Amino acid sequence: NAGVMQNPRHLVRRRGQEARLRCSPMKGHSHVYWYRQLPEEGLKFMVYLQKENIIDESGMPKERFSAEFPKEGPSILRIQQVVRGDSAAYFCASSTTGDGYTFGSGTRLTVV
Amino acid sequence: GENVEQHPSTLSVQEGDSAVIKCTYSDSASNYFPWYKQELGKRPQLIIDIRSNVGEKKDQRIAVTLNKTAKHFSLHITETQPEDSAVYFCAGGTSYGKLTFGQGTILTVHP
Repeated sequence: NAGVMQNPRHLVRRRGQEARLRCSPMKGHSHVYWYRQLPEEGLKFMVYLQKENIIDESGMPKERFSAEFPKEGPSILRIQQVVRGDSAAYFCASSTTGDGYTFGSGTRLTVV
Repeated sequence: GENVEQHPSTLSVQEGDSAVIKCTYSDSASNYFPWYKQELGKRPQLIIDIRSNVGEKKDQRIAVTLNKTAKHFSLHITETQPEDSAVYFCAGGTSYGKLTFGQGTILTVHP
């Protein structure tokens, strides 16, 4: 089992560009969560998805951010028109009902 | 929503000593409390978790206690080693939903 796979590991975008972060959950896991971590801070919940459904997006900024988990393929976190304040580590985690999260290695987004 | 407070923010101990990190939570509906260890530049890794139907759980040098009445839970690391140095995060929530994380504790174990 390859674990939770995130790519890319590092992503550099200029202000105004789009960032696409991908997450493939562990085999057999149907729940995907996205968290953001600013330098030297904790993990902030963004969104919780199951296949083809957004279950809880209470942590997602209202504009520029979207997430999906299609029937086939990885979950995608999309950030449009990135700004410097979007620079952070974005972690994806997956779980099955009743199990703890397993985190991926994260994508470190730098906006220049 | 849930609010998780974690203390202390930094903790420095000598090798072999014990380390204790404490967290409080606000939402009575929370029933799942995991602890994560994060080394610099790495992903958070689950080290132990506890559900609300038990008061204590132990795994070798690591133990977690939960007081539902007071809404607090603690991580205990005994016989600390330099490789225990990392940032530790507590979290609260449900086991199949959103977890709310504490602010983290930077643990430094001096040889």
